[in-house]
Amino acid sequence: ILNVEQSPQSLHVQEGDSTNFTCSFPSSNFYALHWYRWETAKSPEALFVMTLNGDEKKKGRISATLNTKEGYSYLYIKGSQPEDSATYLCAFETQGGSEKLVFGKGTKLTVNP
Amino acid sequence: SAVISQKPSRDICQRGTSLTIQCQVDSQVTMMFWYRQQPGQSLTLIATANQGSEATYESGFVIDKFPISRPNLTFSTLTVSNMSPEDSSIYLCSVAGVVNEQFFGPGTRLTVL
Repeated sequence: ILNVEQSPQSLHVQEGDSTNFTCSFPSSNFYALHWYRWETAKSPEALFVMTLNGDEKKKGRISATLNTKEGYSYLYIKGSQPEDSATYLCAFETQGGSEKLVFGKGTKLTVNP
Repeated sequence: SAVISQKPSRDICQRGTSLTIQCQVDSQVTMMFWYRQQPGQSLTLIATANQGSEATYESGFVIDKFPISRPNLTFSTLTVSNMSPEDSSIYLCSVAGVVNEQFFGPGTRLTVL
């Protein structure tokens, strides 16, 4: 059974703070690691798809790194804004590119103004 | 990107009844996926639906409980049959994008009393 762990489960920060969270996944049979942002009552939004060890991707104030050898990825948000409040999900895609995703439970971020 | 709509957006149902959830995509896609998220749990893949063939179910999910139709390349339905309170979840459909990301619908929030 594939296990994807995310920490922390929830996080409260002040506007302007920078923050980061962790996704741990199996280091074997790795194909891709996905990050999503899910706001309440909206569709999960794809942030990054990462495939190579050492990958770093950036989208505005949000960036992510990937270590496939040790099985972890970090998501960073610089200068958090209230509109960043959402649940951030990571998902592991196993070798073969089946497009089947195994999700963690997510990190719920609340940014207080 | 793909735009995905789902109906209904939410429903409250009595145990023992069935609910059919519709998923409409604005472009033709080969594979569609159905997920659910039970309260406090991870987003979990139920099945993969390909047009013109039987859906492929993940471990722990069976066709009798979650029958799926895929009549064309833009539409799919998931039925939650003989519902119990344990079926209370958010149900989402998704499709795969060009660069391996997945696009999700906004979800159907189901409460079973």
